[in-house]
Amino acid sequence: KAGVTQTPRYLIKTRGQQVTLSCSPISGHRSVSWYQQTPGQGLQFLFEYFSETQRNKGNFPGRFSGRQFSNSRSEMNVSTLELGDSALYLCASSPGGAGYNEQFFGPGTRLTVL
Amino acid sequence: AQSVTQLGSHVSVSEGALVLLRCNYSSSVPPYLFWYVQYPNQGLQLLLKYTSAATLVKGINGFEAEFKKSETSFHLTKPSAHMSDAAEYFCAVSSNNAGNMLTFGGGTRLMVKP
Repeated sequence: KAGVTQTPRYLIKTRGQQVTLSCSPISGHRSVSWYQQTPGQGLQFLFEYFSETQRNKGNFPGRFSGRQFSNSRSEMNVSTLELGDSALYLCASSPGGAGYNEQFFGPGTRLTVL
Repeated sequence: AQSVTQLGSHVSVSEGALVLLRCNYSSSVPPYLFWYVQYPNQGLQLLLKYTSAATLVKGINGFEAEFKKSETSFHLTKPSAHMSDAAEYFCAVSSNNAGNMLTFGGGTRLMVKP
C-alpha cells in the first residue's frame, strides 16, 4: 500500500496570504489528523477528521481550518498567514477512530512565511 | 487533560552502549502510549505502542519499552546503540475519549558516537 502523501512538500508564502495543504491518507483509512511541528512548540495537534466530520480540535485560532472529502483526502487551510505559522505540517492517517490505533505519518509540508 | 514529559532534550551514547530515553505521562484515564522516531526531513514512524495488554512492549529495530503505572512512566530502551539509531524520538499519549488525538512530549534527540 502506498503511504500517506502530502502536497506540496515545500511552500513559501508572505504574511497575510492564505495557504492550502493537501493530504492523501493510506487507502482504506478513514481518519486524518493534522499536526504542527515547530522548534519552539514541538508537535501540536491541530484537528482530526473522521468520515468527513471534525472530531477533535486543538488549541489553534480560527485561521486554521480543515476539511475531509468523501474519499478521505483532507485539506487544511491557514488564512492571513503570520510569521509564527512557519512550521512543518504533518498529516497522519489511521484505519479507525480509537485512541489505540497506530497513526501513519506523511513526510510533511514545510511552510515558510516571509 | 493529558501531558507527556521527556527528560533530556539531547542524549548522547557510544555505539554499542545502552540507550535509555525517558518518558513520563499524565492522564486522568487509562492511557495508550506510543514512541515515534523521526529522521531528518521525514515524518514520524511508530516504534512501539502500549494499549493495556503486556506492560513490556517490544518494537521495531530492537527497541522496547515498559509501562509502569505506579511511576507513570514509559521509558524506551535498546541494549546496544547503532549509528543508524541517531534521530529524534517522541513519546506520545492518547486515550479512548481522545480519538486519534496524540499529545506529544518535547522530543529527545539521540546522538550516537562511534
